[in-house]
Amino acid sequence: DAGVIQSPRHEVTEMGQEVTLRCKPISGHDYLFWYRQTMMRGLELLIYFNNNVPIDDSGMPEDRFSAKMPNASFSTLKIQPSEPRDSAVYFCASSLHGGWAFFGQGTRLTVV
Amino acid sequence: KQEVTQIPAALSVPEGENLVLNCSFTDSAIYNLQWFRQDPGKGLTSLLLIQSSQREQTSGRLNASLDKSSGRSTLYIAASQPGDSATYLCAVLNAGNMLTFGGGTRLMVKP
Repeated sequence: DAGVIQSPRHEVTEMGQEVTLRCKPISGHDYLFWYRQTMMRGLELLIYFNNNVPIDDSGMPEDRFSAKMPNASFSTLKIQPSEPRDSAVYFCASSLHGGWAFFGQGTRLTVV
Repeated sequence: KQEVTQIPAALSVPEGENLVLNCSFTDSAIYNLQWFRQDPGKGLTSLLLIQSSQREQTSGRLNASLDKSSGRSTLYIAASQPGDSATYLCAVLNAGNMLTFGGGTRLMVKP
């Protein structure tokens, strides 16, 4: 398996635009996580899914953020409208229950 | 709500030293604890996983211990090398499979 795949690797967008981040988990993993990393706040869990169903979205900062997992091999994190304070690195990770968590390379988002 | 703290936030040591990184967590009802390494601009790489019933795990020069009752874990790195320079993060997994991270320790090993 190629590991967790995220796209794009880098995204620069203007304030107010919609941004969509994509993640392909490791085949067979039944948990998928979205994290945001900043210097100030470290790694924050935004939302995680089990078998495509959101389990906990309490980390989603506000209604501008939404995440979906339409099937076992694909998830999206959408920000609409984007703001400069959303600039961060967004990571996706996947795992089996109780197992090692494997991370993608991240998407570096810059909102200008 | 689980809170994970890592001390120190940054550490600089000369090559060859043995060192210890600390991780503490507030809720001892964990399923496992994982240690990761992150190089600048990169993703996280898994290093060690300790199940809640275990006391320690070893991989090469790395040894991680877990004292669940006191909410503590340590990562011991033997004979440090410049290539060990990175940020080390610990994370605890609860029964619901939620993975919560500490703030990390930024390690610099000087040649």
